[in-house]
Amino acid sequence: AQTVTQSQPEMSVQEAETVTLSCTYDTSESDYYLFWYKQPPSRQMILVIRQEAYKQQNATENRFSVNFQKAAKSFSLKISDSQLGDAAMYFCAYRSYGGSGTYKYIFGTGTRLKVLA
Amino acid sequence: DVKVTQSSRYLVKRTGEKVFLECVQDMDHENMFWYRQDPGLGLRLIYFSYDVKMKEKGDIPEGYSVSREKKERFSLILESASTNQTSMYLCASSLGKPLHFGNGTRLTVT
Repeated sequence: AQTVTQSQPEMSVQEAETVTLSCTYDTSESDYYLFWYKQPPSRQMILVIRQEAYKQQNATENRFSVNFQKAAKSFSLKISDSQLGDAAMYFCAYRSYGGSGTYKYIFGTGTRLKVLA
Repeated sequence: DVKVTQSSRYLVKRTGEKVFLECVQDMDHENMFWYRQDPGLGLRLIYFSYDVKMKEKGDIPEGYSVSREKKERFSLILESASTNQTSMYLCASSLGKPLHFGNGTRLTVT
């Protein structure tokens, strides 16, 4: 079964600095999707960035980028120029094929990011 | 924008009560999911559905059931609520790539 591991329960970063959140996963599939979601205190889960496993190029969305290492099964999120609004819980997720044309999404345990003014 | 609406933001129920959590999406998504979120455990999949009247067990289905009579609506049912079901419940829908979430129901069972 696929698993997703986030080994950093909590991280802190100074405003305007850069921080990297780690995520590793275990799978025997060759084609899959990976995601980072942000959950601010409002509880609304927001998609930050996604990566398709067959694409070699790392995804980028403004200040957010990933370092996708397929062989190492690693998918880290880098936040540049951190802002106070980046403070949230961040979840790494893997989309797994569930059989019969269905998909399951497996989440890590989350990393709480604090941004210090 | 996809909208996923959960009927209650906060809910307090007594042990043994039957509890219904409702979720509606407005984008004709085939796939819908129920997760529970607990500190230190992340999101754990309870049930999912890929079509009307179809359902699949997730990783922690015990104590729960679901209903999907219409494409847009996916209900989570706690047949006899227990205190260990106190949690945040998140509904989500998808066409196969990113999940779109509701804003959660915090359920307290006393």
